[in-house]
Amino acid sequence: DTGVSQDPRHKITKRGQNVTFRCDPISEHNRLYWYRQTLGQGPEFLTYFQNEAQLEKSRLLSDRFSAERPKGSFSTLEIQRTEQGDSAMYLCASSLAPSNEAFFGQGTRLTVV
Amino acid sequence: AQSVTQLGSHVSVSEGALVLLRCNYSSSVPPYLFWYVQYPNQGLQLLLKYTSAATLVKGINGFEAEFKKSETSFHLTKPSAHMSDAAEYFCAVRWNSGNTPLVFGKGTRLSVIA
Repeated sequence: DTGVSQDPRHKITKRGQNVTFRCDPISEHNRLYWYRQTLGQGPEFLTYFQNEAQLEKSRLLSDRFSAERPKGSFSTLEIQRTEQGDSAMYLCASSLAPSNEAFFGQGTRLTVV
Repeated sequence: AQSVTQLGSHVSVSEGALVLLRCNYSSSVPPYLFWYVQYPNQGLQLLLKYTSAATLVKGINGFEAEFKKSETSFHLTKPSAHMSDAAEYFCAVRWNSGNTPLVFGKGTRLSVIA
């Protein structure tokens, strides 16, 4: 068990570009969550998958954001036409139902310049 | 709306002193409660969790927390602070079973002074 893995760890992009992040959950974990954390704040929920089904999306997830988990294993989070306000740490977490315990990855820090 | 409040964005203690980080939640229904720690440029690590068993929960690194339903609180304590405890601490709540997302407080930065 290598824990939740996120790639890349850091990403610097120009405003208007598209970016994609990847999350590999702990193997056999059926639930996967994406959170966003800005400086000085706690993580804020973005979206959640159970297996390959996206069950819930926060209103924070604008139309420029899309997440997938095509085979119920790894997940991707894409941000189109990035804006400076998208600069944040993007955290992925996974859990195995019915456990309430979520395990977090190291995060991807996005900087939009 | 359901919320989590952490009192004090920054707490500073001397090495060896008591650590007390406060967390209150808004709900009449007892939730599932968690404390996470985050070191700079790292993800979140679970310190401890309350899931309706014993009200006093012991976690890693000598931390513990007590669930008080009447006060809707879940404060984190450690009898003696160590320099390595300096980090950001987040209280998180889940109001239903595992299929709902965690709601986090804004965090408390703990500084430990030698």
